[in-house]
Formats: sequence, structure tokens, C-alpha cells
Amino acid sequence: NAGVTQTPKFQVLKTGQSMTLQCAQDMNHEYMSWYRQDPGMGLRLIHYSVGAGITDQGEVPNGYNVSRSTTEDFPLRLLSAAPSQTSVYFCASSFGGSPLHFGNGTRLTVT
Amino acid sequence: GIQVEQSPPDLILQEGANSTLRCNFSDSVNNLQWFHQNPWGQLINLFYIPSGTKQNGRLSATTVATERYSLLYISSSQTTDSGVYFCAVPVRGGATNKLIFGTGTLLAVQP
Repeated sequence: NAGVTQTPKFQVLKTGQSMTLQCAQDMNHEYMSWYRQDPGMGLRLIHYSVGAGITDQGEVPNGYNVSRSTTEDFPLRLLSAAPSQTSVYFCASSFGGSPLHFGNGTRLTVT
Repeated sequence: GIQVEQSPPDLILQEGANSTLRCNFSDSVNNLQWFHQNPWGQLINLFYIPSGTKQNGRLSATTVATERYSLLYISSSQTTDSGVYFCAVPVRGGATNKLIFGTGTLLAVQP
């Protein structure tokens, strides 16, 4: 039972590079979301999806793109990485009205 | 937007002691979730508790929605309880997992 799987676990980028953080869940959850965690600031919502083909912005969406072509996958794209995007990124999923399940996170450093 | 405050910000306990963590929120909510982030960074959902009291082993949680607070009780603490405890509530009018997180309580349980 894999739950929510994030890849990679660690990534180092140079300023201006692009990359995609992968997230997959095998629980048939309709809701999926991305959060970033910075020291002393808790978790902040980046983007959010209520089902395939439907996405919405969260609290800190700038610099990130998402798409949801299938129920299982919700990738997060950084088009031009900046040092301010150095953070730990968490993907999460749930059914409506049920507890949120997190992946193990991706630690991203932008130099 | 809705504000979520947690107290205390950090706490040191001797193994076997009991503790109470508090989460205050500034607006009415239809659910509240408690999470534990262990020292390895994994986020585990402890409770989904819109109101009332729930218990899971040595942990229990109470949410008083009308007074806009929730409490997490840890009894007979163990070193494995160490980590950061977060509460989270939905953005007003948002779906279940569009959450606003508090900044957490850092708990250290000493042997």
C-alpha cells in the first residue's frame, strides 16, 4: 500500500533551471494538493486540485505550475527556479471530508 | 483570511509526563486536523476532528468549534512523541484539504 509517493527525495538546482516534482497516489483520492514548508512558517498551500482537469491556486502559487490529467498524478513544475523556492515540498491527497495524507516530501535547494 | 495560532511554540517533557497543546482559530470551521511531523520529516495525520472528542491510544483531541479552539492531549509521553505538532483548518469556503496550518508546537521528550 504505497499511499502518496513523491519523487525525487532530494534535488539541487541552479537558478533559472526548470524541473518537475512528481506526486502519485494509489488511493483513488479526488483531492490533491501541494504545500511548501519553510522554517518557522508551517506549511503553505501552493496549488490544489479537486479532480482530473481541475486545479486552483493556493496561498503561494507564483513560480509554480500544475496540471491534473489523471486522478493518480499531480506534478508540480518549477519553470525557472529561484533561491526563494528553496524549501521542502509536500504533496497530499484525500477524499472529501476525510483526513489528509501526505507524501514523504522533496527537499529542494536552489543555488 | 482565517488565522491559526498554536501554543506553546515549544515544549520539553520528561518521559512519562502529560501535556496539552492548543490550537486557536479566528473563524468558524467545518473541520480541524492535527498532524505530527516526526524528526525524519514525515507528516502523519493524527485526528480529523470537526467537533467533540476523539481518542487514539495515549493521544486524544477535543475541538470546541463554537469557541474556536482545539486541544491535543498527550498522556504518558514517550521519546517517539518528539517532533512538531500542527493543527490545520480549511480556508473559509474551501474544500476539505485546502488547509491553513498553524506554525506548530515543537515537542521534545527526554528519556
